[in-house]
Amino acid sequence: EIVLTQSPGTLSLSPGKRATLSCRASQSVSNTYLAWYQQKPGQAPRLLIYGASHRATGIPDRFSGSGSGTDFTLTISRLEPEDFAVYYCQQYGSSPLTFGGGTKVEIK
Amino acid sequence: QVQLQQWGAGLLKPSETLSLTCAVYGGSFSGYYWSWIRQPPGKGLEWIGEINHSGRTTYNPSLTSRVTMSVDTSKNQFSLRVTPVTAADTAVYYCARLVGVANFDSWGQGTLVTVSS
Repeated sequence: EIVLTQSPGTLSLSPGKRATLSCRASQSVSNTYLAWYQQKPGQAPRLLIYGASHRATGIPDRFSGSGSGTDFTLTISRLEPEDFAVYYCQQYGSSPLTFGGGTKVEIK
Repeated sequence: QVQLQQWGAGLLKPSETLSLTCAVYGGSFSGYYWSWIRQPPGKGLEWIGEINHSGRTTYNPSLTSRVTMSVDTSKNQFSLRVTPVTAADTAVYYCARLVGVANFDSWGQGTLVTVSS
């Protein structure tokens, strides 16, 4: 099983700042099979990034994904009030499909 | 625009059977795999498994002995059974569409299932 480790656990930032979230895999993951989600309280997760770097439909361009192999990054260039949430990475390059433990982005 | 609507019992006793169904509206049913994912209160996401329109399944090894998924293509629905349940199965359960056998682009609204004696 591929374990995804997300860091930091919590990121405290002010609106307008840049957020950098990390997702490290215990084994190499093909870019095709790495995705990022945003989840707000009481809501289902929302797909942000697929294929490591491709924005899903309707996702603002302040969200970007990068990385390869075992190290992946989600960057939010300028935090908007609606961006404060929990973010998860997910892989399905190898079964079972797994999620990272999440990074909470909170208002500083 | 595809929509997923799910339902099922929300309160169970230990040793009972969890049963949830998800209906797919407004999109192709046969062209995708369909999954169940759960999230214990205050915790992260756990993939339970997937099924396609022909009933082919893949389950998470951590749950495979207790999980069964099924599909009803005449109604564009798929279902989840977990038995027997314990308190550790308390979670919000989501159904979702798996795209490209890679990621989830559409989700159900979630169902909180509580297991308590």
